Amino acid sequence: KNEVEQSPQNLTAQEGEFITINCSYSVGISALHWLQQHPGGGIVSLFMLSSGKKKHGRLIATINIQEKHSSLHITASHPRDSAVYICAVRSAVANSKLTFGKGITLSVRP
Amino acid sequence: NAGVTQTPKFQVLKTGQSMTLQCAQDMNHEYMSWYRQDPGMGLRLIHYSVGAGITDQGEVPNGYNVSRSTTEDFPLRLLSAAPSQTSVYFCASSYVLVGFAGELFFGEGSRLTVL
Repeated sequence: KNEVEQSPQNLTAQEGEFITINCSYSVGISALHWLQQHPGGGIVSLFMLSSGKKKHGRLIATINIQEKHSSLHITASHPRDSAVYICAVRSAVANSKLTFGKGITLSVRP
Repeated sequence: NAGVTQTPKFQVLKTGQSMTLQCAQDMNHEYMSWYRQDPGMGLRLIHYSVGAGITDQGEVPNGYNVSRSTTEDFPLRLLSAAPSQTSVYFCASSYVLVGFAGELFFGEGSRLTVL
């Protein structure tokens, strides 16, 4: 079993829809990161969470430490949100090592 | 701020050749790391470092060597390139202290092809 599991595997949505991407992990963590990668592009950090909820524009990220689960929500989705969304956890031990999920490919149709 | 600078962006090697991917950051980050990204595999950790003089192996370290002589630089060396090392490589850095982690910053990636 991977230490970081993301779901759904791939996602297609219509413009304007509310989207949720999930991330479950099995290790103790000090932080969880949500990252975005556009096709052929670099990787940018969207959020870093250690508890609670964060919001940036149309993006909302939540984390439940007890359940070892995080969600990334996109409100009023737009075709420019089409990208790969990656969840990564930073170990609470092991020299703060990062472990990544495989990423979810999101496609938003106009 | 330049952030994380990764070079070269593209490289073609022949089997058996050696090369070094360079990674430099100007944010005084303790944590630096190298990943490879392959289709369907996600990002896999090759090596990482939590400070000058300290390095450790990740999931896929074989065939790669690293050193961290300064806070700013974390080069990745391919000792004898193999076709299985054809991939896109990313360097990332962050601020990290015990019990606290900072935002991740990535380089633009290096696409390596080994023939």
